[in-house]
Amino acid sequence: QLQLQESGPGLLKPSETLSLTCIVSGGSISNSSYYWGWIRQPPGKGLEWIGTTYYSGGTYYNPSLKSRVTISVDTSKNQFSLKLSSVTAADTAVYYCARQTGIDYYDSSGYDYTRDAFDIWGQGTMVTVSS
Amino acid sequence: QSVLTQPASVSGSPGQSITISCTGTSSDVGSYNLVSWYQQHPGKAPKLMIYEVSKRPSGVSHRFSGSKSGNTASLTISGLQAEDEADYYCCSYARTSTVFGGGTKLTVL
Repeated sequence: QLQLQESGPGLLKPSETLSLTCIVSGGSISNSSYYWGWIRQPPGKGLEWIGTTYYSGGTYYNPSLKSRVTISVDTSKNQFSLKLSSVTAADTAVYYCARQTGIDYYDSSGYDYTRDAFDIWGQGTMVTVSS
Repeated sequence: QSVLTQPASVSGSPGQSITISCTGTSSDVGSYNLVSWYQQHPGKAPKLMIYEVSKRPSGVSHRFSGSKSGNTASLTISGLQAEDEADYYCCSYARTSTVFGGGTKLTVL
């Protein structure tokens, strides 16, 4: 079955750029039925959505992080990545990658193929920002 | 501050039923039937329990159910079991964004 595995440095200094990769195994990242997302969780706190990408390159970002975040897809390596620039202690968290299902959605605005639930999660990786 | 509002904690005895609320706005919960719920045990990754307001993924117990009225979604767990003790998070589609609730700690007494 499909599995996700986060990888990247666990310790950063303030002002550095956080770079994480999520390796997708047991399935193709190019499957048009799915999106791919990043979520984080500071110690003892709740979940925060960072952003989501589609295999063809479309991206959606949390407005509060948008100026510092880049999410990209590498279909040749079956992986997607997160970059968060100018980190501070507030960025210390467990970072999860997750698969997000897609859905045909109809509303007053018409038709859209859009993002549904996060159905498969990686185990998470702790990133600490400290001088 | 989380976009969706959940109670910080709820509790119940084994066999009882509990309900966790998740209040959003007309820009998220109120406008889309794309609300999901996640269970998280300490030190573990979240697990999808409910999607599209009331649908259960394969393998999730029928004791878990979801509903929505206006800007508030709810997760109900019936026949509480010790293994249900965990944190629960709601999540909603919000057009170009996705928003989570602050989480609710469920204690099984």
